[in-house]
Amino acid sequence: DTGVSQNPRHKITKRGQNVTFRCDPISEHNRLYWYRQTLGQGPEFLTYFQNEAQLEKSRLLSDRFSAERPKGSFSTLEIQRTEQGDSAMYLCASSPGSSGNSPLHFGNGTRLTVT
Amino acid sequence: AQSVTQPDIHITVSEGASLELRCNYSYGATPYLFWYVQSPGQGLQLLLKYFSGDTLVQGIKGFEAEFKRSQSSFNLRKPSVHWSDAAEYFCAVLLSGTYKYIFGTGTRLKVLA
Repeated sequence: DTGVSQNPRHKITKRGQNVTFRCDPISEHNRLYWYRQTLGQGPEFLTYFQNEAQLEKSRLLSDRFSAERPKGSFSTLEIQRTEQGDSAMYLCASSPGSSGNSPLHFGNGTRLTVT
Repeated sequence: AQSVTQPDIHITVSEGASLELRCNYSYGATPYLFWYVQSPGQGLQLLLKYFSGDTLVQGIKGFEAEFKRSQSSFNLRKPSVHWSDAAEYFCAVLLSGTYKYIFGTGTRLKVLA
């Protein structure tokens, strides 16, 4: 169990640029989640995958946001035309599919700063 | 709407003192409940979870939590706090019938030497 891995750890970008983050979940986990966390707040749900299928997407996820998990393993989160309000920590988490109530295992996050 | 409330934004305790962090949820049925801890710049680490059965659950690092259905609460406790416990603590709820975890806004714990 090598844990959930997220890259990059930090990303600074200019407003209007596109950014892409990667998440590698724990290998046997078939559920993968993306959360966003701003300063002083708890993680906010963005989207969730069961294997390669994106089963739920938050209203927080505007059209500028897209997430994929093409082979049911790693996932990418892309933000197009970034805005200053997108500055946040983006957290990825995974859980096994054996039980509906398994706890989430989190990565260390990608901190995005939009200037 | 389902929600998780952590009423205390900041708590300061002296090292060796006892600790209780509050968590209340608003949900029709008994949800699955979790406590996570987050150190600065890190992801969240699971402390403990409650699914059913014994309402007092033990976790890692000497933490425990008690589920009280009548109060819709799941408070986190530790008898004697260590300086290394300084961090942010999040209560979370898993909504039954979905795989969506909802987090509270967190409580930041400061420990005085």
